[in-house]
Amino acid sequence: QKEVEQDPGPLSVPEGAIVSLNCTYSNSAFQYFMWYRQYSRKGPELLMYTYSSGNKEDGRFTAQVDKSSKYISLFIRDSQPSDSATYLCAMSDPGAGSYQLTFGKGTKLSVIP
Amino acid sequence: EADIYQTPRYLVIGTGKKITLECSQTMGHDKMYWYQQDPGMELHLIHYSYGVNSTEKGDLSSESTVSRIRTEHFPLTLESARPSHTSQYLCASSEWQGGTSGGHEQFFGPGTRLTVL
Repeated sequence: QKEVEQDPGPLSVPEGAIVSLNCTYSNSAFQYFMWYRQYSRKGPELLMYTYSSGNKEDGRFTAQVDKSSKYISLFIRDSQPSDSATYLCAMSDPGAGSYQLTFGKGTKLSVIP
Repeated sequence: EADIYQTPRYLVIGTGKKITLECSQTMGHDKMYWYQQDPGMELHLIHYSYGVNSTEKGDLSSESTVSRIRTEHFPLTLESARPSHTSQYLCASSEWQGGTSGGHEQFFGPGTRLTVL
């Protein structure tokens, strides 16, 4: 079993829809959780960063972490065609003595005008 | 403007050539990383550095080597390129500040897409 599981999609939604992207993980020591957006042939861009459990909101984006279920989510409200990209979740364990991130495979999202 | 740069963005080269992929950051970060990414696959860490003169191999075995002589510069070298090295190479940096306010997040460059014929 991989440490981080993420449905690769592709996920196709109409413009204006609410999008829900998810990752599950197996390592209960993960404390830091990140979402990245990657456009085709570009490097990943950090979207959201959360520590431990809870919610964090930034504009149209909301990140949720449920450590009891080992489940993290990214919600995109009022989705736009410019949101079409691959979304990667990433997480890290601060107690491991390293600063390495464990990534999901990414979910490819298409927002149709 | 603080940023992370990679050159070249695209490289097509023949088998057996020596190549160096450049990565520089003006973010003042002490930690830098190299990842390999193939289509539809996870990012795989191939090298990392936590400071000058400190380099380590990552989880994915790679025939490449790296150096960290200056804080802002972290080049990756392939002594003899092969078709199996064809991939996207991503450089990243981070700055651990402790606590819960951040530091584990990494910031990525635009990537170098390498094709070895």
